[in-house]
Amino acid sequence: KAGVTQTPRYLIKTRGQQVTLSCSPISGHRSVSWYQQTPGQGLQFLFEYFSETQRNKGNFPGRFSGRQFSNSRSEMNVSTLELGDSALYLCASSSPDRGGEKLFFGSGTQLSVL
Amino acid sequence: GEDVEQSLFLSVREGDSSVINCTYTDSSSTYLYWYKQEPGAGLQLLTYIFSNMDMKQDQRLTVLLNKKDKHLSLRIADTQTGDSAIYFCAENIGNQFYFGTGTSLTVIP
Repeated sequence: KAGVTQTPRYLIKTRGQQVTLSCSPISGHRSVSWYQQTPGQGLQFLFEYFSETQRNKGNFPGRFSGRQFSNSRSEMNVSTLELGDSALYLCASSSPDRGGEKLFFGSGTQLSVL
Repeated sequence: GEDVEQSLFLSVREGDSSVINCTYTDSSSTYLYWYKQEPGAGLQLLTYIFSNMDMKQDQRLTVLLNKKDKHLSLRIADTQTGDSAIYFCAENIGNQFYFGTGTSLTVIP
């Protein structure tokens, strides 16, 4: 089974631009979560989508948005980029099973804002 | 769920045991998890433990759970240089995962 795939792997943008990141979950997984990872703040939860609906949302400004498509693929968008948005953005998919819900992560998109 | 705590750094010699500690927040967490992150990569699920267990062993990994103190630990036996990474504990509360700050493990050859 293929793992979680995130594209692109690296991205360089300038302040004020917008960016769209893509995530393809493990086949059969209906939940996709997004996290921002920075050295100072650690892993911060952005949002979670399940069956095309946002189920949970973290404490990020409205510039951060996401969506999920009917095939469970997800995108997140950041508008009006700021220097502080430079981070590793991680996507994870999950599916409940007998051993409880488990998150499986992609390799991430490293975003640099100049 | 927002203050899952871990010490930031741990350094051990190759062949020794490593013990990484975590204090979580919610006694109702059903499962607790350990993830490993190598440089430039995402998080990899290492192991997990159900909350009604005290201990779980999986090859070189031993997880200990003290529910009374909300304390979780991960012991890595015979630590190898390939174990150098950041280790995160996590709890699942209401379908949302909360991660610790991560412990950076350095293995000295």
